[in-house]
Amino acid sequence: AQKVTQAQTEISVVEKEDVTLDCVYETRDTTYYLFWYKQPPSGELVFLIRRNSFDEQNEISGRYSWNFQKSTSSFNFTITASQVVDSAVYFCALSDRYSNYQLIWGAGTKLIIKP
Amino acid sequence: DSGVTQTPKHLITATGQRVTLRCSPRSGDLSVYWYQQSLDQGLQFLIQYYNGEERAKGNILERFSAQQFPDLHSELNLSSLELGDSALYFCASSPLGTGARETQYFGPGTRLLVL
Repeated sequence: AQKVTQAQTEISVVEKEDVTLDCVYETRDTTYYLFWYKQPPSGELVFLIRRNSFDEQNEISGRYSWNFQKSTSSFNFTITASQVVDSAVYFCALSDRYSNYQLIWGAGTKLIIKP
Repeated sequence: DSGVTQTPKHLITATGQRVTLRCSPRSGDLSVYWYQQSLDQGLQFLIQYYNGEERAKGNILERFSAQQFPDLHSELNLSSLELGDSALYFCASSPLGTGARETQYFGPGTRLLVL
């Protein structure tokens, strides 16, 4: 069955530190999609990135970067030089044909950035 | 701002009552999704509509129903409310009806409290 595991329930770092949020997924499908969303304290869900399984290129967007490794079924998210505004819950999600292409969510990682 | 709007932002009601949550998708998006986020069950997909038709169903209770209108806005109706229905309800939209093969953009959510 499909599954997304975010083993880190909560991470706390001091501002300007780099931090990596782990995401491990399980799927039998060969074509699937991976996502990261951010949920700040205000509650809304903000889309960060979508990655197709056939595109293993890592991506960088400003201070954010994503490392997709099919060999280890991981899609990790790194924030460089963290800022207090990065404090949020971050969700990793998967969709494939077995989920009828609906999102299967991880439990989320709460990231606390201390000034 | 994702462009998806949800009303109301907060709703407090009593057990046994019925409420209606409203969602307007991003301009041009034909598909609407409803999600429930609760403390014990995390984020769960409820139902998807595409251009007025039900496209996919998730863990939606029989007491809950939804519809999408010709102007593409959607309503989620929750009836015979129980304490356990207290949650954050999100609406998301996407251009087509391909589920999470495309990016879903989320509204700010409606926080429902059942007393």
